[in-house]
Amino acid sequence: DIQMTQSPSSLSASVGDRVTITCRASQSISNYLTWYQQKPGKAPELLIYAASSLQSGVPSRFSGSGSGTDFTLTISSLQPEDFATYYCQQSYSTPPYTFGQGTKVEIK
Amino acid sequence: EVQLVESGGGLVQPGGSLRLSCAASGFTFRNYWMTWVRQAPGKGLEWVANIKQDGSEKYYVDSVKGRFAISRDNAKNSLYLQMNNLRAEDTAIYYCAREGSTVTGVDWFDPWGQGTLVTVSS
Repeated sequence: DIQMTQSPSSLSASVGDRVTITCRASQSISNYLTWYQQKPGKAPELLIYAASSLQSGVPSRFSGSGSGTDFTLTISSLQPEDFATYYCQQSYSTPPYTFGQGTKVEIK
Repeated sequence: EVQLVESGGGLVQPGGSLRLSCAASGFTFRNYWMTWVRQAPGKGLEWVANIKQDGSEKYYVDSVKGRFAISRDNAKNSLYLQMNNLRAEDTAIYYCAREGSTVTGVDWFDPWGQGTLVTVSS
């Protein structure tokens, strides 16, 4: 199975900061990469699919990039509502699909 | 409004069974792959199983193969997860989600239900 590794596992940042989260696949997955945001006690929500396509309704401060094995989620200017846990997920080939372990973004 | 509502969670003893349901509304259920994802308390997300629009294809994570069965009833706009021989490590919130995809086959999960908690304990 394809393993997904996110870094860092957690980070502290201030409102207005630029935040970057990375996700690495154990083999090439082309652009079969999705990002989700999860707030405490809530279900995950889709942010970005196909590595760089922004889901409708998601603020433009979120962006994704990468292809192959290395991917990045960037928040250009962190807002109070962005403090959450972020997960990457691969959907390359047939299931099982796998998630990264998550990156918790906390207030500094 | 597209909505998914899970039910059927609860406390069950090790070795027991439980059937989860997911009621879909606001979209044409029979046109979509559907998936189950779980999250153990304080842990990350784990994909569990998915099912094709007509039920002809089903996939499972290795840890539940032979114990869990995914199914759907398109006439009732409902998704199910039959869980047998439950173990303590199956304790989690179980979410159902609709699958979307690009023309090239990139899959994602959106929306998600609110989840239902399954606790396996004696």
